[in-house]
Amino acid sequence: GQQLNQSPQSMFIQEGEDVSMNCTSSSIFNTWLWYKQDPGEGPVLLIALYKAGELTSNGRLTAQFGITRKDSFLNISASIPSDVGIYFCAGQLMNRDDKIIFGKGTRLHILP
Amino acid sequence: DGGITQSPKYLFRKEGQNVTLSCEQNLNHDAMYWYRQDPGQGLRLIYYSQIVNDFQKGDIAEGYSVSREKKESFPLTVTSAQKNPTAFYLCASSPGDTDTQYFGPGTRLTVL
Repeated sequence: GQQLNQSPQSMFIQEGEDVSMNCTSSSIFNTWLWYKQDPGEGPVLLIALYKAGELTSNGRLTAQFGITRKDSFLNISASIPSDVGIYFCAGQLMNRDDKIIFGKGTRLHILP
Repeated sequence: DGGITQSPKYLFRKEGQNVTLSCEQNLNHDAMYWYRQDPGQGLRLIYYSQIVNDFQKGDIAEGYSVSREKKESFPLTVTSAQKNPTAFYLCASSPGDTDTQYFGPGTRLTVL
C-alpha cells in the first residue's frame, strides 16, 4: 500500500534548540497536514498545506509542502518543554478518495 | 463549544463482549473517521463515512462495525471477532470542502 516515511522516529534535544523533521513518499500528494499528539490525547492539527511550495508558519512552527509534491518538512524553533510529544505528518494522495495516510510519527524528547 | 467528543475516556470489557464507542461532533462536518492506535505506532483507519447512511471499510475493518444514522454521530462497535481489541481509538471528522481532519480526545479500550 501507499506509505509515508517519517523521520526521524525519535529525537532527543536540549531546550532552546531548533528541531526539524520530515515526511517523504514515492507518491504525489495534494494535501499535507502536521499534527501533534500529547500522551493519552487525540492529535491536534498544527499546520495544513494545500499547494506545492507553500511555506506556512504557526508561531514557532514552520512547515513546507515540497515542490515535487512528494515530501514535507516541519521545523520548530527555540524548543520549549511543552513541545514534547509525537508529531505526525499526514497526506492525501492525488487521484484517490478522501482517505488520508499518516506517517508513524516523530517522538520529540527534551532533555533537562 | 464546537468540537468532537468521544466517550468514555477509558473503557474496560471482558473478552468476548461487544462494546460500542461513542463519537459525536457539532462542527457540521460531513465526513467522519475511526482510527486505531497501538503503542509506538501510527494511526490505522478502521472505517470512514463521507455522508449520512453510508460508510466504507478502512484498512483494518475486520472485527469492527459502524453506523451513520445522523450527521453528528458515528459510533464504533468492537465485536468479539476482533482478535486484539485493546488499543487507543480515535475518532475524527472533516468538512466536505477540505480533507483536513480534526480529532477527538480518544477512548482507551482495555479488554481483560
